[in-house]
Amino acid sequence: RKEVEQDPGPFNVPEGATVAFNCTYSNSASQSFFWYRQDCRKEPKLLMSVYSSGNEDGRFTAQLNRASQYISLLIRDSKLSDSATYLCVVNRNNQGGKLIFGQGTELSVKP
Amino acid sequence: ETGVTQSPTHLIKTRGQQVTLRCSSQSGHNTVSWYQQALGQGPQFIFQYYREEENGRGNFPPRFSGLQFPNYSSELNVNALELDDSALYLCASSSRQNLNTEAFFGQGTRLTVV
Repeated sequence: RKEVEQDPGPFNVPEGATVAFNCTYSNSASQSFFWYRQDCRKEPKLLMSVYSSGNEDGRFTAQLNRASQYISLLIRDSKLSDSATYLCVVNRNNQGGKLIFGQGTELSVKP
Repeated sequence: ETGVTQSPTHLIKTRGQQVTLRCSSQSGHNTVSWYQQALGQGPQFIFQYYREEENGRGNFPPRFSGLQFPNYSSELNVNALELDDSALYLCASSSRQNLNTEAFFGQGTRLTVV
């Protein structure tokens, strides 16, 4: 079993749709949680950190449930430019750089 | 742009050969991590370097080795290349002093082993 698991998708949605990505992690020692975005043939870029209290950045909302070891990302009012692969990421020791990635969920937003 | 640069951007090698990939970290960052990303997969942690020493290693064989230099730049060396080593190799720099540091990735080196 992989340490971080995501639905690989692809998710094909129309513009304006709301889409939710789910992720589970198996190591209860995980301390930091992130969503990264990766465009085709490019490097991953941090989309947002995820906190237990939940956090929002514009159209993006991230949630963390430590008891269930579950992370989610909600994208509202999808734009064509949101098309990318979304990577769920955990860090065991808050030291940055030693990141454990899920396999990524591909999102395609259509006109 | 993140300020993390990798070279070369693309590389083709023959099975059994050796390869060296290079990474320059972002200014102010003292830690470099290397990842391997196979097609359709998320990046897999190879190892991390801090103060010129290996500081943690993922599930990769010893033929994957690295170096960090006093200016915090780093090299990834892979010996006895295998076809399965074909992947995108990503370097990420971060600051060990900041416990909630973001890791910034370079654009990657795409290695093809034939």
